Amino acid sequence: DAGVIQSPRHEVTEMGQEVTLRCKPISGHDYLFWYRQTMMRGLELLIYFNNNVPIDDSGMPEDRFSAKMPNASFSTLKIQPSEPRDSAVYFCASSPSRTGELFFGEGSRLTVL
Amino acid sequence: GDSVTQMEGPVTLSEEAFLTINCTYTATGYPSLFWYVQYPGEGLQLLLKATKADDKGSNKGFEATYRKETTSFHLEKGSVQVSDSAVYFCASRSNFGNEKLTFGTGTRLTIIP
Repeated sequence: DAGVIQSPRHEVTEMGQEVTLRCKPISGHDYLFWYRQTMMRGLELLIYFNNNVPIDDSGMPEDRFSAKMPNASFSTLKIQPSEPRDSAVYFCASSPSRTGELFFGEGSRLTVL
Repeated sequence: GDSVTQMEGPVTLSEEAFLTINCTYTATGYPSLFWYVQYPGEGLQLLLKATKADDKGSNKGFEATYRKETTSFHLEKGSVQVSDSAVYFCASRSNFGNEKLTFGTGTRLTIIP
């Protein structure tokens, strides 16, 4: 079975540009999570969805960040406009109901110059 | 709110040494507890878990026991290998309907031959 698929794996962009990260969760999983990982702050939960509905977006840093899940097989995390401090590895993870076990993608490494 | 504290790294050991990585938690009630491992360039993957007090999770020679009296979930392995070099994350999840995992800061482990 395919795991969680994220794209792009690497993104280098300039400050002010729009960035869109994509995620395809594992089929049949009810939950989808977006995390950000940096050396300074470690692993931070940005937002998570249940059955395509956002449940908790309290970790989204500011209005420049937005996430959508239009259907069960696709989610996006958008940053507009991007800033150098957004440089990080962004992980998407999915989970079947009520197990607590997250399946992570390989991450999207974002560098904002 | 819930929190997880794990020993700071980095930890460097010789092959076949005994490993302990400490983890303590604070939570309302009795959460489920997890250890995740992140190999270089990859996303996190579940190593083991325990869902109630006195449960022992085990996988790939690693073990951790859910200790309610000390609110701990220390990770142990009797004889480490070079291939165990990775970053290890302790995590908790409330059992009150919230699917969020609270992660510790991670402990980087390096095993030298």
